[in-house]
Amino acid sequence: GAGVSQSPSNKVTEKGKDVELRCDPISGHTALYWYRQRLGQGLEFLIYFQGNSAPDKSGLPSDRFSAERTGESVSTLTIQRTQQEDSAVYLCASSLGGGGNYGYTFGSGTRLTVV
Amino acid sequence: AQSVTQPDIHITVSEGASLELRCNYSYGATPYLFWYVQSPGQGLQLLLKYFSGDTLVQGIKGFEAEFKRSQSSFNLRKPSVHWSDAAEYFCAVGARYSTLTFGKGTMLLVSP
Repeated sequence: GAGVSQSPSNKVTEKGKDVELRCDPISGHTALYWYRQRLGQGLEFLIYFQGNSAPDKSGLPSDRFSAERTGESVSTLTIQRTQQEDSAVYLCASSLGGGGNYGYTFGSGTRLTVV
Repeated sequence: AQSVTQPDIHITVSEGASLELRCNYSYGATPYLFWYVQSPGQGLQLLLKYFSGDTLVQGIKGFEAEFKRSQSSFNLRKPSVHWSDAAEYFCAVGARYSTLTFGKGTMLLVSP
């Protein structure tokens, strides 16, 4: 597509429920990244995909968080048994390659509210 | 490990005044440096990037940044700020085989 698409744009869920967030990267972008942005905070790295493998998932905060990617296409970030501290904007980005020499293109994010 | 420091959490500038946002990085080799802007409710948009060559880089929306290796800095500047520039600005550093590391951001407020 023309840009990085994320869905849903907003999600309100009850504590303890599972949620799935979706990211559709730019066509041809082999690298995909998930970041979390809590209110008033910077960007917190979660996971990086190169193709459908995840060379770096060091930022996932707990085993309640998981992500997968199908080929060089859509990725889903799943949060199980959501907690209130999971409330944040979840940003997805993609780039042509996996190195830091490529700029990232970001989606508009999914605002997750856990009540 | 690479890191980025944006010393100013908030900055207020009068419309029409000049702007400088500070960014200091820590990285052993030649870094790749980026500035992004985030308007409310939006994702991050790339303003400009530095890879090599001329240390003064021009970006979109009239922004520029200067890479100073001796000071490990990559400050963002604009000669005359417009009300529409009010947003949050993020500096990021990358290396060839690593992901980008972002600073915590600087919120720019523009007063009339």
